[in-house]
Amino acid sequence: AQTVTQSQPEMSVQEAETVTLSCTYDTSESDYYLFWYKQPPSRQMILVIRQEAYKQQNATENRFSVNFQKAAKSFSLKISDSQLGDAAMYFCAYKSVNDMRFGAGTRLTVKP
Amino acid sequence: KAGVTQTPRYLIKTRGQQVTLSCSPISGHRSVSWYQQTPGQGLQFLFEYFSETQRNKGNFPGRFSGRQFSNSRSEMNVSTLELGDSALYLCASSGEDWRVSRYTDTQYFGPGTRLTVL
Repeated sequence: AQTVTQSQPEMSVQEAETVTLSCTYDTSESDYYLFWYKQPPSRQMILVIRQEAYKQQNATENRFSVNFQKAAKSFSLKISDSQLGDAAMYFCAYKSVNDMRFGAGTRLTVKP
Repeated sequence: KAGVTQTPRYLIKTRGQQVTLSCSPISGHRSVSWYQQTPGQGLQFLFEYFSETQRNKGNFPGRFSGRQFSNSRSEMNVSTLELGDSALYLCASSGEDWRVSRYTDTQYFGPGTRLTVL
């Protein structure tokens, strides 16, 4: 079975600094997608960034970028110039044709 | 486009009762997935429907069931409620058929229904 592991239950970053959230996954499939979702307190889960496994180029969305290492099955999220609004639970997710799994989440705190 | 909507937003039931939750996907989306979110177990996949057919199913007992209508709206039913069923139930919709277009199968989430079982 595919698993998604987020080894950092909590992370903290100073406003305007950079933080990296880690995610590793296990799969025997070659075709899949990876996602980072953000869930602010008592608010809706929203997509932050996605990565297609068949693309070697790392995805980037404004201040958010990923470091996708397919051979190592690693998919980390880098948040640059952190803002107070970035404070949330961040979930790493894996999706293939027959499976969708989420990591346990990392709670990110942004200090002013 | 309007986002994914879920009704009701909050629900309180007692053990042994049954409950039906509703999800309306983003217009044009044909896939609807359901998840259970709890502090202890995190996000767990329940099932996915595509064009009124269940495409994938997670590891939940048969008390959890769902269906999808021709307009892509979906309902989830939990029978014989147990205390452990208390959770936030999330619905997500996506717009592409993975096997046809190879386009991203990005899921867009609704606000969830918070179910409390007493």
